[in-house]
Amino acid sequence: NAGVMQNPRHLVRRRGQEARLRCSPMKGHSHVYWYRQLPEEGLKFMVYLQKENIIDESGMPKERFSAEFPKEGPSILRIQQVVRGDSAAYFCASSLTRIKNTEAFFGQGTRLTVV
Amino acid sequence: AQSVTQLDSQVPVFEEAPVELRCNYSSSVSVYLFWYVQYPNQGLQLLLKYLSGSTLVKGINGFEAEFNKSQTSFHLRKPSVHISDTAEYFCAGSGSQGNLIFGKGTKLSVKP
Repeated sequence: NAGVMQNPRHLVRRRGQEARLRCSPMKGHSHVYWYRQLPEEGLKFMVYLQKENIIDESGMPKERFSAEFPKEGPSILRIQQVVRGDSAAYFCASSLTRIKNTEAFFGQGTRLTVV
Repeated sequence: AQSVTQLDSQVPVFEEAPVELRCNYSSSVSVYLFWYVQYPNQGLQLLLKYLSGSTLVKGINGFEAEFNKSQTSFHLRKPSVHISDTAEYFCAGSGSQGNLIFGKGTKLSVKP
């Protein structure tokens, strides 16, 4: 049973370009979470999705950021018109149910560098 | 507000010494608590979790944590650390929306 798969592992984008980060959850998991990690700041929650639905996007910036988790295929975190401040590690996690009495499994992350 | 606080940003310790990494959670955080470890340029790996039952939880790599409701704490301990334990450790609690709320992390540095 493969773990949570994120790709690419490293992504370099010029300012103004679009970044697409992909996350394939563990088999059987329908709950996906995206987190952003900045140095010295720990992990900040961005968005929580369940198949085809956004459950909680309270951590997502209002502009340029969007996320989806279609019925088929991976979850996508999309950042339009990237700026230097978007440089960070982005982690995806998946769980079998809502994280109340179960654990989340994390991917290896995508490290985005904006130049 | 829901929050998880890790009191120490860095903890240096000598090999084979005991270590405690401190974590406190706000009362508004659900008492499903987790410790994750992150090695350089890697993702997060679950060390242990408290969901219910015994307040002393044992995890992988010889780590354990104790849930203390009165002190709203969930400190991580290991009686004897190894060089390979050098990593960043994150405490997390379950938020009301079903996501994880993380502390800022504690960098454990084990010296020979």
